[in-house]
Amino acid sequence: ETGVTQTPRHLVMGMTNKKSLKCEQHLGHNAMYWYKQSAKKPLELMFVYSLEERVENNSVPSRFSPECPNSSHLFLHLHTLQPEDSALYLCASSQAVQGATGANVLTFGAGSRLTVL
Amino acid sequence: AQKVTQAQTEISVVEKEDVTLDCVYETRDTTYYLFWYKQPPSGELVFLIRRNSFDEQNEISGRYSWNFQKSTSSFNFTITASQVVDSAVYFCALSQGGKLIFGQGTELSVKP
Repeated sequence: ETGVTQTPRHLVMGMTNKKSLKCEQHLGHNAMYWYKQSAKKPLELMFVYSLEERVENNSVPSRFSPECPNSSHLFLHLHTLQPEDSALYLCASSQAVQGATGANVLTFGAGSRLTVL
Repeated sequence: AQKVTQAQTEISVVEKEDVTLDCVYETRDTTYYLFWYKQPPSGELVFLIRRNSFDEQNEISGRYSWNFQKSTSSFNFTITASQVVDSAVYFCALSQGGKLIFGQGTELSVKP
């Protein structure tokens, strides 16, 4: 496999369920990202991991819990979500952030479409 | 504050028409990068171009061209002789501190 792979592609869950989204990159990158894409809104950066350390957490509710066990894998654990959390969750990877004005080109996965009932 | 504005929410054209997607950005930094990404119906964002703030040369790649003007803080994207396969959502983005700030996207529909 090449590029950035996300599973599952579609997920429907109840508000009391616990589920996880998985992202895997085969590009040798050392930074990984979670973005949320809701209808009619810009992509929102949720989390950034650089060299397996979390370097960005954009005031994301604690019902979203990221995990980066190694530079190739990234998870987003979900629990007690709300209907407004329904969105497309996009994973991306790049080379580690460098300097104050990084020029990193992100490679995105196809996303996991989440519906919370 | 940094911000990217794509004022055109949706554009519909007929195949072979030229179309320009507008992007206006705000930043106080003198060094920054601008990007365009394409999101086809399959979902993944595909990188199209990256431009740094010191390079105002326009760029052409096949049917795609980009016009970067610092004086107006704009980085517009033109597709010449559009095709149905160009139908997608296009995002302009500004890089600050290594993270991308995206505009809201412009949904382009090219009809046969």
